[in-house]
Amino acid sequence: KQEVTQIPAALSVPEGENLVLNCSFTDSAIYNLQWFRQDPGKGLTSLLLIQSSQREQTSGRLNASLDKSSGRSTLYIAASQPGDSATYLCKKENTGNQFYFGTGTSLTVIP
Amino acid sequence: KAGVTQTPRYLIKTRGQQVTLSCSPISGHRSVSWYQQTPGQGLQFLFEYFSETQRNKGNFPGRFSGRQFSNSRSEMNVSTLELGDSALYLCASSWTRGDTEAFFGQGTRLTVV
Repeated sequence: KQEVTQIPAALSVPEGENLVLNCSFTDSAIYNLQWFRQDPGKGLTSLLLIQSSQREQTSGRLNASLDKSSGRSTLYIAASQPGDSATYLCKKENTGNQFYFGTGTSLTVIP
Repeated sequence: KAGVTQTPRYLIKTRGQQVTLSCSPISGHRSVSWYQQTPGQGLQFLFEYFSETQRNKGNFPGRFSGRQFSNSRSEMNVSTLELGDSALYLCASSWTRGDTEAFFGQGTRLTVV
């Protein structure tokens, strides 16, 4: 059974801190991995997409890495801001075009 | 450029009824996938459509079905609703299958009473 786990489930940090969110998966047959943020009651906003052939992607204060051999992806957020408060989800697409979401990390950035 | 549009945004149905949800993808996107999000199970993949054909299906009963039209708009249908079907239903569109970024709609909040 495919499992995609995100640790921690919840995180609270003061404004300005750098932080790392983790996404672990059990099956290395990965096609791509995508990070999203979700605000309460809303849809998902795409942050970064990493293809299986890539090791990392960067967008502004965000950097996502992918290590297929260890079954891990990390999302690094630099200089966190209160507006970064949201639930962060990773989504794995495997080579059979099946999609699996992580359990999510709820982030609170305290002003 | 318009995003992914889901209608309706909110829906209340009673047990045993059926419901149809609609998703209009971003213009030019041909792949549409559907997801169910509940507090207990998180986000789970329902099915994916590409070029009017269902390409993949998650682990959901046959009460959940869908279709895609020639303009790439998609609908999903749930028959014989159960209380446990109460969830946020999200659809995502992407230009093609695999290797491309998926963009999500705001979702349809379905409540079954």
